[in-house]
Amino acid sequence: DAGVIQSPRHEVTEMGQEVTLRCKPISGHDYLFWYRQTMMRGLELLIYFNNNVPIDDSGMPEDRFSAKMPNASFSTLKIQPSEPRDSAVYFCASTSRAKNVANTGELFFGEGSRLTVL
Amino acid sequence: SQKIEQNSEALNIQEGKTATLTCNYTNYSPAYLQWYRQDPGRGPVFLLLIRENEKEKRKERLKVTFDTTLKQSLFHITASQPADSATYLCALEGGGFKTIFGAGTRLFVKA
Repeated sequence: DAGVIQSPRHEVTEMGQEVTLRCKPISGHDYLFWYRQTMMRGLELLIYFNNNVPIDDSGMPEDRFSAKMPNASFSTLKIQPSEPRDSAVYFCASTSRAKNVANTGELFFGEGSRLTVL
Repeated sequence: SQKIEQNSEALNIQEGKTATLTCNYTNYSPAYLQWYRQDPGRGPVFLLLIRENEKEKRKERLKVTFDTTLKQSLFHITASQPADSATYLCALEGGGFKTIFGAGTRLFVKA
């Protein structure tokens, strides 16, 4: 399996522009998580989905952020309009409770999308 | 409010020694606690899980303890090697399979 795939790996944009980050989870995984990582705040959970349905979006910073999961193999995180304080590394992770025989709850992370907003 | 605290200061140790990292939490009653390793520029990678009814878990040179009374987990790496240098994150289930991470502790192992 290719693992969790995120794109783009790096994005540099100007304040006010729309940013779309993409994630392809591991096939068969029914949970998908979006995290944001900064030096100041560490790894923050933004939103997570179960079977393509958003379960908890309480970590989404504000209305400028939105996330969708139109099908089991694709999710997007959109920031519109972007601001310099959104600069961070955004991680997507997936897991499967059903397939996880040992029930470790292990999350599989992508390599992240590093966003810089100028 | 719910909090997970890890030592924000980096831990520097000599090769061959045991590294001990701490994770404290408040206002959680997690069913389990996980430890992950993160290398620069990479995503976190799962290492170990310990459940609330387990006191200790081992995997090769790794050992994790979990004290639900103290609300603390200790993560040990014995016979440490320079290749163990990384950031180590603890994570808790915050209910409904929601996984929350601490900020991580950087470990440097000197040869």
